[in-house]
Amino acid sequence: DVKVTQSSRYLVKRTGEKVFLECVQDMDHENMFWYRQDPGLGLRLIYFSYDVKMKEKGDIPEGYSVSREKKERFSLILESASTNQTSMYLCASTGGGRARGEQFFGPGTRLTVL
Amino acid sequence: GQQLNQSPQSMFIQEGEDVSMNCTSSSIFNTWLWYKQDPGEGPVLLIALYKAGELTSNGRLTAQFGITRKDSFLNISASIPSDVGIYFCAGWDSGGGADGLTFGKGTHLIIQP
Repeated sequence: DVKVTQSSRYLVKRTGEKVFLECVQDMDHENMFWYRQDPGLGLRLIYFSYDVKMKEKGDIPEGYSVSREKKERFSLILESASTNQTSMYLCASTGGGRARGEQFFGPGTRLTVL
Repeated sequence: GQQLNQSPQSMFIQEGEDVSMNCTSSSIFNTWLWYKQDPGEGPVLLIALYKAGELTSNGRLTAQFGITRKDSFLNISASIPSDVGIYFCAGWDSGGGADGLTFGKGTHLIIQP
């Protein structure tokens, strides 16, 4: 079975802290994504990566960075957390070909910034 | 990024009723997908549609890829309590690169006992 895991289900951090969210997939997928989900706004793409060490900005990259050192792992970094980054963060991955649109999601990390 | 217009926003139904929801877009998509999200979990892929006019079933779920390629429908027959959750449509454009997946804002399904 397809598996995307995220390092934490719940996280509480203080304003100004550096935050790392980790995502691992076991499907040998090339493409990985980070979204945030907020009530009334749906899922919004933060960053994505289509290969190791490659990254592309999504719709709302400000305040975030990413790292992809290995194919199976995609990390989201909040350099200096702020209260408006309190949200549900979802990682997803997808393979190539026709199935490239079929994104598989992790369980999410609910981040609260105080 | 573009948002899909998904409706209804929420549905309150009785157990055993059939459910219909839809998504429309001003853009053409090559693939339409439907996801379900349970509270506190990530979205789970239900159905993927690849061809205009395609009708695909997954148990009690049936989804269709609109002929114009600008819309899609999801039907759930004989709803049961575990159908409760948020249903998202998503469109994918192969020309859009790896970021081509566009999501609707979701339909919140609530089943009244």
